[in-house]
Amino acid sequence: GAVVSQHPSRVICKSGTSVKIECRSLDFQATTMFWYRQFPKQSLMLMATSNEGSKATYEQGVEKDKFLINHASLTLSTLTVTSAHPEDSSFYICSASSGAGDTQYFGPGTRLTVL
Amino acid sequence: GESVGLHLPTLSVQEGDNSIINCAYSNSASDYFIWYKQESGKGPQFIIDIRSNMDKRQGQRVTVLLNKTVKHLSLQIAATQPGDSAVYFCAENSGGSNYKLTFGKGTLLTVNP
Repeated sequence: GAVVSQHPSRVICKSGTSVKIECRSLDFQATTMFWYRQFPKQSLMLMATSNEGSKATYEQGVEKDKFLINHASLTLSTLTVTSAHPEDSSFYICSASSGAGDTQYFGPGTRLTVL
Repeated sequence: GESVGLHLPTLSVQEGDNSIINCAYSNSASDYFIWYKQESGKGPQFIIDIRSNMDKRQGQRVTVLLNKTVKHLSLQIAATQPGDSAVYFCAENSGGSNYKLTFGKGTLLTVNP
């Protein structure tokens, strides 16, 4: 149980284009989903927290207009990187929990490379 | 600001030995801690968690110890196997209604056959 998937696992795009990453909880309802970014040999940095049906809460320094998050259902959240640039290249990981105080389960991550 | 850190960035052990990975946290109000294992190119995998009302919790081959007096957390892996080679992160509940996690820097565990 507690499986989280992400799609795509890997994406390469040109600078200036937008990329959408999906995060799905496969066997539980995720009231809260989190989006993280991880650069090579570094730790996970939280970007934003989203509750189903509500606007996402972004961490300080994360541009909400650049990283659009939608959490329209209890099993799906999407992260759209708009007008991507090479510095946005990173490993993006989502996690999901079924409620406040419950364990976060992580997806396998999406490797984004912006040329 | 508040942070979670690790004493050792790398740890190399022989197969069959026990491993101990340490973590210091600074937020005395934290009440929930988790250890994650991350293999190269993959997402973090939940290993074990502990709440602040406990000082020890055991799982299969793993034990987490929590010392609230010195704000220290450790992960013990018994009979370490090559498959245990990965980066291990401790994470701390950052508080608030959404239980955001703050991750430590990570320790790379290498198990030599």
